Amino acid sequence: RKEVEQDPGPFNVPEGATVAFNCTYSNSASQSFFWYRQDCRKEPKLLMSVYSSGNEDGRFTAQLNRASQYISLLIRDSKLSDSATYLCVVTSSGGSYIPTFGRGTSLIVHP
Amino acid sequence: DGGITQSPKYLFRKEGQNVTLSCEQNLNHDAMYWYRQDPGQGLRLIYYSQIVNDFQKGDIAEGYSVSREKKESFPLTVTSAQKNPTAFYLCASSSPRGYQQNYGYTFGSGTRLTVV
Repeated sequence: RKEVEQDPGPFNVPEGATVAFNCTYSNSASQSFFWYRQDCRKEPKLLMSVYSSGNEDGRFTAQLNRASQYISLLIRDSKLSDSATYLCVVTSSGGSYIPTFGRGTSLIVHP
Repeated sequence: DGGITQSPKYLFRKEGQNVTLSCEQNLNHDAMYWYRQDPGQGLRLIYYSQIVNDFQKGDIAEGYSVSREKKESFPLTVTSAQKNPTAFYLCASSSPRGYQQNYGYTFGSGTRLTVV
């Protein structure tokens, strides 16, 4: 079983739509969680951290469910510029805090 | 502005040749990482270093080597032993408590390596 799993998509949605991605992780000792955005042929960039109580940043909402071991990202009022690949990142404890990346979920927002 | 600089942006390697990818950061981060990304794939960890003069193998270290003589620099050498080196290579760094305080990881803009 992969440590961090994401539906690769693509999710093809119209402008203005609400779209949600999930990411599951296998290590129950995982400590930190992030969503990164990666544009085509570019480096990943931090979109938002995911806090235990859930957090929101404008149109983006991230949630963590430790019991079921998944995190989610909700994008409201999708824009064309939201088209990208969204990477789930999980960091586990144990001294090294090495991040593990999911393969990413592709989002295409069309007019 | 602080950040991570990777060079070159594009690199072409002949069969049997060693090449070195540069990664420099001025963020005063202790930890640095090298990842490889293949088309349609996620990031796979090659090597990481959490302190100067120390580094650890990641999941796919075979055919690669690194050094960490300075805090700011973490070069990656792709040796001739790496049989399929064509990929997008990404360097990242983080502060000692960055991942604990949810600051995340900062990436360089990457190097595209192609075997010719």
